[in-house]
Amino acid sequence: DVKVTQSSRYLVKRTGEKVFLECVQDMDHENMFWYRQDPGLGLRLIYFSYDVKMKEKGDIPEGYSVSREKKERFSLILESASTNQTSMYLCASSPTDGEGHNEQFFGPGTRLTVL
Amino acid sequence: EDKVVQSPLSLVVHEGDTVTLNCSYEVTNFRSLLWYKQEKKAPTFLFMLTSSGIEKKSGRLSSILDKKELFSILNITATQTGDSAVYLCAVDSTGGTNAGKSTFGDGTTLTVKP
Repeated sequence: DVKVTQSSRYLVKRTGEKVFLECVQDMDHENMFWYRQDPGLGLRLIYFSYDVKMKEKGDIPEGYSVSREKKERFSLILESASTNQTSMYLCASSPTDGEGHNEQFFGPGTRLTVL
Repeated sequence: EDKVVQSPLSLVVHEGDTVTLNCSYEVTNFRSLLWYKQEKKAPTFLFMLTSSGIEKKSGRLSSILDKKELFSILNITATQTGDSAVYLCAVDSTGGTNAGKSTFGDGTTLTVKP
């Protein structure tokens, strides 16, 4: 079974703090993704990575950065947390087949509250 | 900009009813359309569709894709309370890499009453 784990299920931080969200997958997947999910807005892609040390901006990268130093780990960083970053953060991973058609496997999510 | 629109946004039915959920899309470099089910946790994969007109089926759930009209439907027959969830449609595009970048719709919230 593919397993995607996230470092925290719930997190409460203060405005201006630096926040690290960690995601680890154990199936040797090339691709990893960070989304945020908000009521009425669906899942929105923040950043994704298709290889170690490679990253690409998603649809809403502002205020976030990422790090992928090892294949199994993809970190999301909020340099200076703000209240509008209160959200559910979902990490996902997927393999790459020859035609690039791949389902994504999701972690359990981290509910971040910024006060 | 890639766009995925799901309808209806929410739906309330009774056990035994049949429901149809809709997903329309506008994306460049389409590769596949995926359906996920999300209960009170992370989304889990249901179907991946790449070719028009070929129905995918799993138990009481089925789905079909129309690449000409740019939409897909997800059918659930003989609904049960355990089908209550948010159903997400996502379209996978190349995004300039081989990463399988997905654009998600807002989801349809299905509530099945006993």
